[in-house]
Amino acid sequence: GAVVSQHPSWVICKSGTSVKIECRSLDFQATTMFWYRQFPKQSLMLMATSNEGSKATYEQGVEKDKFLINHASLTLSTLTVTSAHPEDSSFYICSARGGSLQETQYFGPGTRLLVL
Amino acid sequence: AQKVTQAQTEISVVEKEDVTLDCVYETRDTTYYLFWYKQPPSGELVFLIRRNSFDEQNEISGRYSWNFQKSTSSFNFTITASQVVDSAVYFCALSGFGNEKLTFGTGTRLTIIP
Repeated sequence: GAVVSQHPSWVICKSGTSVKIECRSLDFQATTMFWYRQFPKQSLMLMATSNEGSKATYEQGVEKDKFLINHASLTLSTLTVTSAHPEDSSFYICSARGGSLQETQYFGPGTRLLVL
Repeated sequence: AQKVTQAQTEISVVEKEDVTLDCVYETRDTTYYLFWYKQPPSGELVFLIRRNSFDEQNEISGRYSWNFQKSTSSFNFTITASQVVDSAVYFCALSGFGNEKLTFGTGTRLTIIP
């Protein structure tokens, strides 16, 4: 149990385009999902927390209009990087928790974004 | 504020050796959770263990064991008879009861030399 998927695993895009990343909990209902960003050889940086059906809560310094998060169902959250620029290139990881798995965050495999 | 310190940035050991990864935490919460995650080169974070603050029993799972000592605010992780597949970055993390957020340490990169 506790499987979280992410799609796509890799994305390369041109500067100025928008990129959508999906995060799905496959075998449990995720009342809360989290989005993290990780730079090479660094720890995870929490970007935002989203609860199903409500607006995401962003961490200080994270631009809400730049990183749009939608948590429309108990199994799906999306992160859209709008008007991506090279500095947005990074490894984005989602996690989910919910139901009987409330105390533990389970992570997806991550999405590597490269903006040219 | 919560803080997790993993003082060992990188560790290399020869295969079959035992290795201990240190984790020291700070929190004002009286109840909290501690976690260890493994991040192999593929990037996915794999959940290894969760420990409640009121349960100081050590835990063993195969070649893995965890030593939780509240008196020293430490939650160390030992791999016995290490294998090449254990090569990864290991993160220790902390969250308060009812607090959704995880506070991560900076990670320890473990390399097992064949």
